[in-house]
Amino acid sequence: EVQLVESGGGLVQPGGSLRLSCAASGFTFSSYWMSWVRQAPGKGLEWVANIKQDGSEKYYVDSVKGRFTISRDNAKNSLYLQMNSLRAEDTAVYYCARVSSWPDYWGQGTLVTVSS
Amino acid sequence: NFMLTQPHSVSESPGKTVTISCTRSSGSIASNYVQWYQQRPGSAPTTVIYEDNQRPSGVPDRFSGSIDSSSNSASLTISGLKTEDEADYYCQSYDSSSWVFGGGTKLTVL
Repeated sequence: EVQLVESGGGLVQPGGSLRLSCAASGFTFSSYWMSWVRQAPGKGLEWVANIKQDGSEKYYVDSVKGRFTISRDNAKNSLYLQMNSLRAEDTAVYYCARVSSWPDYWGQGTLVTVSS
Repeated sequence: NFMLTQPHSVSESPGKTVTISCTRSSGSIASNYVQWYQQRPGSAPTTVIYEDNQRPSGVPDRFSGSIDSSSNSASLTISGLKTEDEADYYCQSYDSSSWVFGGGTKLTVL
């Protein structure tokens, strides 16, 4: 059974940093692109970033470029999102997703709140 | 860059059929596959349609997807509506190396 479990969310002040993790199991992690998608409270889904199987290609939505970094550790079956210079508008539930051309499996999400 | 526009909300009675549209603002709807996701309150999204009209295993055949080049839109049709279908539905497609989501449609089954 495919499982994706996010962790690392919490309350952080504007300008602060946070690192999200996503533990994957039930599939060959190193064979799939992976993604982060977020959802602000009461709002729709917004794609954040994608990473290739070997980490050699990474893509980001314009609003997080230069502030967020997606990475992975295939030996640990884990996906990460390093978030720096956080803003109030980054407040959202962050989902990790497995990519089979489209995001076919999603985790349950972790809430990030940016507030003073 | 393009946008995907969905109606904010739709409602229909149990047993009826509802169609949710997703209109692409520029470029051809047929140039990139469209997916549809269902999200119930407090839950993560799940795929109900991928690659325009394909259903993942476990998704009932009451769910179907299509694209219409004349209106430059994709559609999700749910027939034989059940109360359990009440949820938010999002369309999604691709723009170069990025993903684009529609704003979501709240389906009420009353």
